[in-house]
Amino acid sequence: DQQVKQNSPSLSVQEGRISILNCDYTNSMFDYFLWYKKYPAEGPTFLISISSIKDKNEDGRFTVFLNKSAKHLSLHIVPSQPGDSAVYFCAASEVKAAGNKLTFGGGTRVLVKP
Amino acid sequence: NAGVTQTPKFQVLKTGQSMTLQCAQDMNHEYMSWYRQDPGMGLRLIHYSVGAGITDQGEVPNGYNVSRSTTEDFPLRLLSAAPSQTSVYFCASSFRLAGGSEQYFGPGTRLTVT
Repeated sequence: DQQVKQNSPSLSVQEGRISILNCDYTNSMFDYFLWYKKYPAEGPTFLISISSIKDKNEDGRFTVFLNKSAKHLSLHIVPSQPGDSAVYFCAASEVKAAGNKLTFGGGTRVLVKP
Repeated sequence: NAGVTQTPKFQVLKTGQSMTLQCAQDMNHEYMSWYRQDPGMGLRLIHYSVGAGITDQGEVPNGYNVSRSTTEDFPLRLLSAAPSQTSVYFCASSFRLAGGSEQYFGPGTRLTVT
């Protein structure tokens, strides 16, 4: 049973427009949510995070929104640039006795067309 | 500062063979973890460690062993390789802070089991 789901496997957007990536989760114990970006043949890199007690976090062109009642978060990229073409993973963090544990979604492949 | 390094980059094994995937970090991070990435499944946690001598199981630990004798190294051992273990393996590390702290990923090891 996947606790973190990204229901759109791919997204295509024109350069300069907004990219919206969605993520749903089921576990109410998640205390942080993170977005990672991954280029081919490289490891994922951290993009932005949000605490479960907040509803919005912004960093430059990237904004993450959290709707706790709906157990839904989204990542907005404005404006989209060709270099944003990558796979984006949503992840959720849960505090465990042995330390924080990350659960990842399946990823969304974004293609930004020039 | 090399960050997180993984060796080898590629490996082909026959069913039943054993091998060790190496992971090292030079950032003095307490927390280290191993993930596998399969198409459409995102990254799934195999094992993690919160410090030298302390390890715990993740979501998909069967068929894998880990140990953490130093802060820097966190090798992943495949005891008897199976075709189902064909995947891309990522090692990651982070400071053991609140759940929002980013993990730094290595470049990955692509493993094929025939």
